[in-house]
Amino acid sequence: DIQVTQSPSTLSASVGDRVTITCRASQSISDWLAWYQQKPGKAPKLLIYKASSLESGVPSRFSGSGFGTEFTLTISSLQPDDFATYYCQQYYGFWTFGQGTKVEIK
Amino acid sequence: EVQLVESGGGLVKPGGPLRLSCITSGFSFNKAWMSWVRQAPGKGLEGVGRIKSKADGGTTDYAAPVKGRFTISRDDSKNTLYLQMDSLNTEDTAVYYCATATRGFPDWGQGTLVTVSS
Repeated sequence: DIQVTQSPSTLSASVGDRVTITCRASQSISDWLAWYQQKPGKAPKLLIYKASSLESGVPSRFSGSGFGTEFTLTISSLQPDDFATYYCQQYYGFWTFGQGTKVEIK
Repeated sequence: EVQLVESGGGLVKPGGPLRLSCITSGFSFNKAWMSWVRQAPGKGLEGVGRIKSKADGGTTDYAAPVKGRFTISRDDSKNTLYLQMDSLNTEDTAVYYCATATRGFPDWGQGTLVTVSS
């Protein structure tokens, strides 16, 4: 199975900060990578698919980049609603998720 | 509007079976690849398995921890996805979500809690 490793596991930031989360795949997955946001007690919400395509309705402060084995999710200016846990997911092979990154208030 | 509604969760004893259902609406279910994802309490997301559309062969794939114990099926006439879980153990305790599988997983149900305990 393809493994995906996210970092950091926890991130403390303030409103207005630029935030970057990294995801690394154990082998090349082209651009078959998605990013999700999850809040407590809720289902995950798709933010980015195909590494850099913004899902409809998602604010433009979210962006994704990368190809092959290294990917990043960037939030350009952190908003109060963005404090949540973020997951990457590869869907090149059988789908696997990263371990998650919890974005906390600093 | 796309809707996915899971049901069938509950408390089950170790070694027992349980069947989950996911009733869908608002999209062409028969053309969709579908998946099950679970999340143990306080833990991350884990893919359980997927089923392709019948047009793409209708085949299934499973994560290693559930292979041979879980079975995914679909009834396109009822727009419904199923997860048959056998030989359950305490590590299977989780919220189980169904999700569409296209550009990643764009649509999710609300989840149903499965608790395996004696």
